[in-house]
Amino acid sequence: KQEVTQIPAALSVPEGENLVLNCSFTDSAIYNLQWFRQDPGKGLTSLLLIQSSQREQTSGRLNASLDKSSGRSTLYIAASQPGDSATYLCAVLKIGAAGNKLTFGGGTRVLVKP
Amino acid sequence: GAVVSQHPSRVICKSGTSVKIECRSLDFQATTMFWYRQFPKKSLMLMATSNEGSKATYEQGVEKDKFLINHASLTLSTLTVTSAHPEDSSFYICSARREGERPQHFGDGTRLSIL
Repeated sequence: KQEVTQIPAALSVPEGENLVLNCSFTDSAIYNLQWFRQDPGKGLTSLLLIQSSQREQTSGRLNASLDKSSGRSTLYIAASQPGDSATYLCAVLKIGAAGNKLTFGGGTRVLVKP
Repeated sequence: GAVVSQHPSRVICKSGTSVKIECRSLDFQATTMFWYRQFPKKSLMLMATSNEGSKATYEQGVEKDKFLINHASLTLSTLTVTSAHPEDSSFYICSARREGERPQHFGDGTRLSIL
């Protein structure tokens, strides 16, 4: 059974500091890994999607790396801003004979202080 | 493209009421829709997968008679929480997937509060 863990569970940084969010998964046979942002009481916004064959993806101040063999992904957010305050979730997709399954980590709650 | 609309966004009702939540794919046909539940400060847990025109597949531990899922068309799936009780209070999120594609597109969620 796939288990996805995100460390730390919560993070508070001053504005301008770089953020490093970690995600680990137990079953490396994944199809892709996705990072989401969730604002309080809101749905999910997809940030970055990394296919299993890729090592990283970049979008603006965001960079996500993937090391499938070790079961790890890291989301870097450069020069953090108060607007980056949210919960960040990673999720891995596994394709199987019984169907596809998307498994989420517990999330990292980020607070960027002005 | 790939917009998923979920309605209502917030529901507050009395214990014993049945509540229906709609999930619509606005600009694409979704052969598969997913329903997730999120407890406070916890991650999303998949409840069930629904394919258009067939019965939903429920995850272990999810009561199918309690959480009725209907996926009658390629753009609409509904989740009905029957005889809701306070322990059913949660955040419910749906997602939809286009035929032949992997990514899921998420709705904005429904916050259900049972008094």
